[in-house]
Amino acid sequence: QVQLQESGPGLVKPSETLSLTCTVSNYSISTGFYWGWLRQPPGKGLEWIGSIYHRGHTYYNPSLRSRVSISVDTSNNHFSLKVTSVTAADTAVYFCARVYASHRTNSADFKWFDPWGQGTLVTVSS
Amino acid sequence: DIILTQSPATLSLSPGERATLSCRASQSVSRYLAWYQQKPGQAPRLLIYDASNRATDIPARFSGSGSGTDFTLTISSLEPEDFGVYYCQHRSSWPTFGGGTKVEIK
Repeated sequence: QVQLQESGPGLVKPSETLSLTCTVSNYSISTGFYWGWLRQPPGKGLEWIGSIYHRGHTYYNPSLRSRVSISVDTSNNHFSLKVTSVTAADTAVYFCARVYASHRTNSADFKWFDPWGQGTLVTVSS
Repeated sequence: DIILTQSPATLSLSPGERATLSCRASQSVSRYLAWYQQKPGQAPRLLIYDASNRATDIPARFSGSGSGTDFTLTISSLEPEDFGVYYCQHRSSWPTFGGGTKVEIK
């Protein structure tokens, strides 16, 4: 079955850029689907960060849009997340997931997330 | 923005008991609601999509119902592995999650 695995630094300094990669196994990203990033601050709830279609269309949480970018590398079957100018508020477990979605004109309708990667804790601290 | 409110915050039950979890939306989301289970240290797992459809390999003791603004996740008879936190999520161009209900062992 499809498996996802996050990777990247576990510690990032304030004001720097957080970079994570999600490697997908047992499924070719270029076949289809949207792919997404979500996060969960310690002891708190879930927040959608953004999603990307395999052809590169991206959609972001409006509250994070100015600092977030998601890209896809179909040749290596992975997609990536960058968050710039991080603060302690960006400390969280970051998850990647496959996204079931429908296309709309100039947007997408994100239905549900399945499966998820195991998650990776990123701490923002000097 | 659509706000999802889950209740109760914590549900203390014994194995074998029935669990009823609620998710209320601030405006109608039709039947476009999903439910997830999260155990400590693990990623969320999709249980239910479109209000009442069980995801792949989800046991029949899990069922979802509702439409519009009021939704329910029911676990007919709790198994030890069912204890954890449950989240609802609505389908949108900006998907959001409820705050979660923790199902704990009484």
